[in-house]
Amino acid sequence: GAVVSQHPSRVICKSGTSVKIECRSLDFQATTMFWYRQFPKKSLMLMATSNEGSKATYEQGVEKDKFLINHASLTLSTLTVTSAHPEDSSFYICSAIGQGQSYNSPLHFGNGTRLTVT
Amino acid sequence: GEDVEQSLFLSVREGDSSVINCTYTDSSSTYLYWYKQEPGAGLQLLTYIFSNMDMKQDQRLTVLLNKKDKHLSLRIADTQTGDSAIYFCAGLTGTASKLTFGTGTRLQVTL
Repeated sequence: GAVVSQHPSRVICKSGTSVKIECRSLDFQATTMFWYRQFPKKSLMLMATSNEGSKATYEQGVEKDKFLINHASLTLSTLTVTSAHPEDSSFYICSAIGQGQSYNSPLHFGNGTRLTVT
Repeated sequence: GEDVEQSLFLSVREGDSSVINCTYTDSSSTYLYWYKQEPGAGLQLLTYIFSNMDMKQDQRLTVLLNKKDKHLSLRIADTQTGDSAIYFCAGLTGTASKLTFGTGTRLQVTL
């Protein structure tokens, strides 16, 4: 089945530094990738949608300069949290839709990245 | 936008059936999904149902959809300790970017 890999699974960084999270589709080409944020004991919040080769579409309230998304190839999207602050600490999850899949195909999710900013 | 509500917690004994409930507000949802999240992990798709169906069964899982009441449920038969996790329902309205997740139900399975 479709596999989405996220790296790193956990990262601790100091306030003010930037952190990059990678999301890879391992056995399919992902035309569209989604980045979600999950707060403790809360649901998932869609942050942005990225399509290969074009700019990401950010949801309302998500700072595009803060959360930089790059979808440079059909198998890789990256989320960079710039100048991280403790309030950016969260669980970030990516998901992907494969080439040829219909819009209503179930999303495949990565295992998530736990970011802790100290 | 759509609101999707779930009860926060459910505790069942091993071997019993679990029923996790979900209510949603947007009747134009085309697909409704159930995902499972184990601690520190991503989301695993369990099953999904198209809005023109009332029921779908997949091994130990049974999904019931009551469109009139905008109510979705997931029944897990013969619940095992490995079923302990958080379960999310999600509704799709339009494209995949419009997937709205419920608040999640933590299922605890006791011996």
